[in-house]
Amino acid sequence: GESVGLHLPTLSVQEGDNSIINCAYSNSASDYFIWYKQESGKGPQFIIDIRSNMDKRQGQRVTVLLNKTVKHLSLQIAATQPGDSAVYFCAEIPAGGTSYGKLTFGQGTILTVHP
Amino acid sequence: DTEVTQTPKHLVMGMTNKKSLKCEQHMGHRAMYWYKQKAKKPPELMFVYSYEKLSINESVPSRFSPECPNSSLLNLHLHALQPEDSALYLCASRRTPGTIQYFGAGTRLSVL
Repeated sequence: GESVGLHLPTLSVQEGDNSIINCAYSNSASDYFIWYKQESGKGPQFIIDIRSNMDKRQGQRVTVLLNKTVKHLSLQIAATQPGDSAVYFCAEIPAGGTSYGKLTFGQGTILTVHP
Repeated sequence: DTEVTQTPKHLVMGMTNKKSLKCEQHMGHRAMYWYKQKAKKPPELMFVYSYEKLSINESVPSRFSPECPNSSLLNLHLHALQPEDSALYLCASRRTPGTIQYFGAGTRLSVL
């Protein structure tokens, strides 16, 4: 299950299950959203992105859903594998040309996949 | 190829030392970034370079000094650091125009 508290939210699933990782973003003017995966000892790795004029985007085994009404972003991982175990960060980019692509990261969610 | 290479992978330094972190990319990206990441926290932006010019300094202490000698290289010079500066330092680059930042594996820095 998922828990939120003083520590990073965590999600534990069994191999083969579908995983849903949630993210609440703060800036209604954000134009672009990105999901990153960070494995232990590595830098964040790009997974999938979505523009604010879209509701859904699918990749290989991953789907991102965007609900602008409630400022909510989710990442769905199908048939989760042990190699998916990592910390997942959502990030938003504000609209406008002066931000130099500055990312605002969410707090992250630890996904643990049990064989 | 979306590779950003950071060296060294690990660095231990005393508070009186001077050291440098290096970041390299050959993707033709003209935006490059330095981030600091503490354990179990998201990356925190430190500096942004756009077309080899410093565009954003997020009020970083002067003991951190960035340098962008050319479009492929980004350095972070370290001097008189404090133990609380121990962290993972990440470099990223982005195609311009573009939105996705590609990160290196980071340098794990320990200040004794």
